[in-house]
Amino acid sequence: GAGVSQTPSNKVTEKGKYVELRCDPISGHTALYWYRQSLGQGPEFLIYFQGTGAADDSGLPNDRFFAVRPEGSVSTLKIQRTERGDSAVYLCASSPQTGAGYTFGSGTRLTVV
Amino acid sequence: SQKIEQNSEALNIQEGKTATLTCNYTNYSPAYLQWYRQDPGRGPVFLLLIRENEKEKRKERLKVTFDTTLKQSLFHITASQPADSATYLCALPSGGGADGLTFGKGTHLIIQP
Repeated sequence: GAGVSQTPSNKVTEKGKYVELRCDPISGHTALYWYRQSLGQGPEFLIYFQGTGAADDSGLPNDRFFAVRPEGSVSTLKIQRTERGDSAVYLCASSPQTGAGYTFGSGTRLTVV
Repeated sequence: SQKIEQNSEALNIQEGKTATLTCNYTNYSPAYLQWYRQDPGRGPVFLLLIRENEKEKRKERLKVTFDTTLKQSLFHITASQPADSATYLCALPSGGGADGLTFGKGTHLIIQP
């Protein structure tokens, strides 16, 4: 596609529920990143994929968070047993290679009530 | 890990003047530094990347400098316009083997007509 697409744009869920956030990167971009942004803060790194593999998941806050990219294109961020503190905007970005500028999606605003 | 400081207070500039935003970092000097623009409700948009061996980089009305001695980057917008009003984020490689970027909190720029 022309840009990075994220769905849904908004998600409201109850505490304890499971959610999946989807990212469709720019075609041909091998690098894919997930970030989380809270109000008034810069994006915070979660995980980086190079192709199908998670090359760096050091930013995932705990084992409730998991992400996959099975075919090297679309990625899904999965959050189990959601907590109110998980509420934030989850941003996905892709780039043609490490070290290049990122193209971000518009994000998914997750609200845990 | 890398720490980034950006002026957290909003910067008010009169239309037509040059806006200058500052990004200071601690710890090691990165191989490159990136600047992004973010509008409300949108993902960041990549503007410029400057490498450690480049003192200055320009793109239209934008100019970025990179001083590895001072551990500082300056971002200039000349002939500023109200449409330049946005939050501007500085980002550096996280380092320590991590592949993601560390973002600053951003500076909110307001160009007044």
